[in-house]
Amino acid sequence: DTEVTQTPKHLVMGMTNKKSLKCEQHMGHRAMYWYKQKAKKPPELMFVYSYEKLSINESVPSRFSPECPNSSLLNLHLHALQPEDSALYLCASSQTQGQGAGEAFFGQGTRLTVV
Amino acid sequence: LAKTTQPISMDSYEGQEVNITCSHNNIATNDYITWYQQFPSQGPRFIIQGYKTKVTNEVASLFIPADRKSSTLSLPRVSLSDTAVYYCQRDTGRRALTFGSGTRLQVQP
Repeated sequence: DTEVTQTPKHLVMGMTNKKSLKCEQHMGHRAMYWYKQKAKKPPELMFVYSYEKLSINESVPSRFSPECPNSSLLNLHLHALQPEDSALYLCASSQTQGQGAGEAFFGQGTRLTVV
Repeated sequence: LAKTTQPISMDSYEGQEVNITCSHNNIATNDYITWYQQFPSQGPRFIIQGYKTKVTNEVASLFIPADRKSSTLSLPRVSLSDTAVYYCQRDTGRRALTFGSGTRLQVQP
């Protein structure tokens, strides 16, 4: 199984809503990532978890809250988002976070629209 | 900043070899270079990774010269389905998986 599964595929939420994005992998990878991608732009790194501990937070606003309940799961909790937060949110995993760790596997993403 | 520079876009025809060059002048000793392919509304897909000289797999080759300040992704005999965005990425450990601006490859029949 070389898949990273993200749910939901599409999400529309109001600015006062609370929602969560979910990501799951069963490859035994110990590094997991959240990215945000706007149209025609490269993915922007948001968070990195290494061995279930938050390793990197790229100065992401607190309305985005990551969580790694176990080595297979990664969540992104959303609260009080703004319309400019509408984007494709991508989850990825790799064996480790270190250099030369080989390929990272990406999910298909969650298309988020904030209204 | 782990910056890479790529051409914004390239055009090619089916059956041709395509070479996409990425510049990474301030590459660090331990950095690896990784290339990803992305289709619209999909997550990026790993193509190839290398440190120096030449790496080849079933879909591409990666050439990294001795000074490692640039790298070239080579796609042999492209087809229409290779139309996508290609990202060069420096794997710097702490800033792992930070993407460059990407090259949009358009393959014509």
